[in-house]
Amino acid sequence: QSVLTQPPSVSGAPGQRVTLSCTGSSSNFGAGFEVHWYQQLPGTAPKLLIYGNNNRPSGVPDRFSGSKSGTSASLAITGLQAQDEADYYCQSYDTNLSGFVFGAGTRVTVL
Amino acid sequence: QVQLQESGPGLVKPSGTLSLTCGVSGGPIRSSNWWSWVRQPPGKGLEWIGEISHSGLINSNPSFKSRVTMSMDMSNNQFSLRLTSMTAADTAVYYCARISYYGAGSNRRFDYWGQGALVTVSS
Repeated sequence: QSVLTQPPSVSGAPGQRVTLSCTGSSSNFGAGFEVHWYQQLPGTAPKLLIYGNNNRPSGVPDRFSGSKSGTSASLAITGLQAQDEADYYCQSYDTNLSGFVFGAGTRVTVL
Repeated sequence: QVQLQESGPGLVKPSGTLSLTCGVSGGPIRSSNWWSWVRQPPGKGLEWIGEISHSGLINSNPSFKSRVTMSMDMSNNQFSLRLTSMTAADTAVYYCARISYYGAGSNRRFDYWGQGALVTVSS
């Protein structure tokens, strides 16, 4: 059972917009800790996609955007492309664990 | 560009000890960053193991606390993980990663990752 809750899967047609949710609690998001998102393409290492709730590292397309409100966060992908098929993980810091936590991941499928 | 590369045995016997090293290029590990280990069992999600600072401070996941040791090797620009009493449940891809600060406060993120090393626990 992950401290951060993500839906197992989300799917959409090419060009569509999909939203991935990440639900936390008072010991992580609610305590003011920010959310980061990682993209893991099949057979590769995770890659930082969004940091600090809504910031994109250099090279990440602006089709990807993030937000956080209260104890929930979300990642939006607009103009969905076949190359976006991957697992997406949210991550934060948790005061109960006194360490970093990841969600269980959401698999995005492009129909 | 910072690059990380894990190295170590791919097979560990049950009750044995895992030793992995992460070589860092493109920047000194003697910096304000922290250096971390994350693992991923086959077909499952990511699990944080622990982190070590340039000064040797260590934070680790309570799930591993009694079994994990981490160290820094400044001369070779690398850091290491030791995990004792290995069982089949420890079979996973082990990633090393850099954790860096951003913004004005103490916020940190995992910004660079190694390619991962598959470790299988089997006799």
